[in-house]
Amino acid sequence: GAVVSQHPSWVICKSGTSVKIECRSLDFQATTMFWYRQFPKQSLMLMATSNEGSKATYEQGVEKDKFLINHASLTLSTLTVTSAHPEDSSFYICSAIRDREADTQYFGPGTRLTVL
Amino acid sequence: GEDVEQSLFLSVREGDSSVINCTYTDSSSTYLYWYKQEPGAGLQLLTYIFSNMDMKQDQRLTVLLNKKDKHLSLRIADTQTGDSAIYFCAESRGYSTLTFGKGTMLLVSP
Repeated sequence: GAVVSQHPSWVICKSGTSVKIECRSLDFQATTMFWYRQFPKQSLMLMATSNEGSKATYEQGVEKDKFLINHASLTLSTLTVTSAHPEDSSFYICSAIRDREADTQYFGPGTRLTVL
Repeated sequence: GEDVEQSLFLSVREGDSSVINCTYTDSSSTYLYWYKQEPGAGLQLLTYIFSNMDMKQDQRLTVLLNKKDKHLSLRIADTQTGDSAIYFCAESRGYSTLTFGKGTMLLVSP
C-alpha cells in the first residue's frame, strides 16, 4: 500500500503557457500532501504544504501566484505552474502522508517539466 | 539552523558492503530517514529510525544512529548493481517537514 502517482510524468511546454501536474494517493487518503522541486544533482526543496480543503502553505521564496496548489479531495492535489518560463524547468515531486502515519511521507515518481 | 550533510559519491564492487554516512545539526530531530532515488524517478522510502534508537536492521539494510555526534549511517550488505542510485538522508522534527541532504550517488560495479 501507500502508492502515490503523478501525472504527467513529463511535459514540454512553450514559455508563457500554464501546466497542471496532478498528484494522487491511489490506495489511501491523504489529508496532507507536499510539493517539492528538484534541480539536477540537487536535493529536494520543499515548495509548499497542501492541506485538503484549505489553502496551501508556501515556503519562503516560493511565489504562490506562480505555483497554484489545489487540494480538492483526500486523494488529489494539483500544482499549476502559471505562465511558465525556462527557469521553471525542473523535476517536481509530490509526497503524501497517510492518515495516522504522520511521520512518513510517500513520494510520487515525479514530473519532469521542460519549458522552451 | 537545520542542515543535513552527506558525501556526494561512493563506489563499491558488487558483493561488498556499502556504508553511506550522514550528519545533521538539528538536535531536536525526531525521525531520520533514508530514501533511494533511481534515475528519473521519485523517492522510495527505504527505512527510518526514531531518534531514541541506536540501530535498526531490515534485511540487507542496517541503520546506525549516533545521536551524540548527530551521525547517521546506512549500511547495505551484499551490494548489488540494482542498488546503484542516489541515497538521500533526511531528518524530521515530527509531523511532516523533512530536511534532505544533497544525496550520495552509489555506483556498484560488477
